[in-house]
Amino acid sequence: AQSVAQPEDQVNVAEGNPLTVKCTYSVSGNPYLFWYVQYPNRGLQFLLKYITGDNLVKGSYGFEAEFNKSQTSFHLKKPSALVSDSALYFCAVRDARDDKIIFGKGTRLHILP
Amino acid sequence: GAGVSQTPSNKVTEKGKYVELRCDPISGHTALYWYRQSLGQGPEFLIYFQGTGAADDSGLPNDRFFAVRPEGSVSTLKIQRTERGDSAVYLCASSLKGRWTSGSTLGYEQYFGPGTRLTVT
Repeated sequence: AQSVAQPEDQVNVAEGNPLTVKCTYSVSGNPYLFWYVQYPNRGLQFLLKYITGDNLVKGSYGFEAEFNKSQTSFHLKKPSALVSDSALYFCAVRDARDDKIIFGKGTRLHILP
Repeated sequence: GAGVSQTPSNKVTEKGKYVELRCDPISGHTALYWYRQSLGQGPEFLIYFQGTGAADDSGLPNDRFFAVRPEGSVSTLKIQRTERGDSAVYLCASSLKGRWTSGSTLGYEQYFGPGTRLTVT
């Protein structure tokens, strides 16, 4: 069975600094990996995905993530944080042979002005 | 274009009652998912439809929960004999693709509706 771990409940970063939100996963087969963001009182919004191909994927709002197969990680990154990036971020994984998509418990990102 | 819509946005019901939650996916999206999100948690998978059929219902917590998608578009999540523990936000998502098809990585991401907040008193 697949699983996702987001080891940090909260990450605090000063505006303008680089940010990283960590995600590790476990699947039996090849993984599909996703990042979503949830703003207060709003639905989840898709940020980026890894299906196959280049390990570094770029997504919305300047975010990117790197698929690392050996470390089973898919950390979310951004070179320069904005206050408006403050939100709840979810990593999700799916086994390519399965239909179920499993979400992590989320990491709350606080960007400090 | 129109996104995923869910109705009602809020539902308050008494313990033991029956409720139906509706999801209208993005037009043309063949894959549809239901999740449940409790406060402070990530979305919990309930059921996945590919077209009209439930391809994976392994996340449904018990037989009080049932979902249908009779024409391959709108889906209804049905909960019988509601319990206070069923209180949560129920999320629906759709995507263009479900299972991997060769040649393109387009379309596997999900688009979520705003959710239905269910409160069982």
